[in-house]
Amino acid sequence: SAVISQKPSRDICQRGTSLTIQCQVDSQVTMMFWYRQQPGQSLTLIATANQGSEATYESGFVIDKFPISRPNLTFSTLTVSNMSPEDSSIYLCSVEDPGVGYTFGSGTRLTVV
Amino acid sequence: QQQVKQSPQSLIVQKGGISIINCAYENTAFDYFPWYQQFPGKGPALLIAIRPDVSEKKEGRFTISFNKSAKQFSLHIMDSQPGDSATYFCAASIKGGYQKVTFGIGTKLQVIP
Repeated sequence: SAVISQKPSRDICQRGTSLTIQCQVDSQVTMMFWYRQQPGQSLTLIATANQGSEATYESGFVIDKFPISRPNLTFSTLTVSNMSPEDSSIYLCSVEDPGVGYTFGSGTRLTVV
Repeated sequence: QQQVKQSPQSLIVQKGGISIINCAYENTAFDYFPWYQQFPGKGPALLIAIRPDVSEKKEGRFTISFNKSAKQFSLHIMDSQPGDSATYFCAASIKGGYQKVTFGIGTKLQVIP
């Protein structure tokens, strides 16, 4: 199955700043997905990143707040912009692994102070 | 709108006992039902999955039971072990091409010696 490297694994950030999270996959994939997991909650899809086109955002998430890049078939970044304490969450990237299902990175635990 | 309802949200089971987690879905177009296991500080990992053309799937100590008419499915963990202590998410999606995965709220399982 695909192996996903996500970094940073955790960060503590000041409100009003931005953080960029990187996701590297060891194989080429068409779609990469970004999720948010708030403390004690389930996973919520933020957006889907397709190489060569703009990301598709789910209801409640906007590009200005969560800009995404997808420069090639193995890499994507998610930026959390102008952060507030409400953005404190775990952010996860995921890919669809043929025959296996969806594989997740180990996540980025973000705390905004 | 919560399309996949999961219960209970927390579960304590004695070592050697059976852990049972239940899920119900609303969208009859769903045709792929995975279960994910998440340990603290890690991303979710695919545990076992089922399609609606079978009523049961077993892998080791883990069994999915599926009731298509009732739109319900459940995870049974036989001979539960302390190492099974984790959060379990049921999920549902439409297989084929890109379709987003809808997750249940999660069940925090604690297996006590």
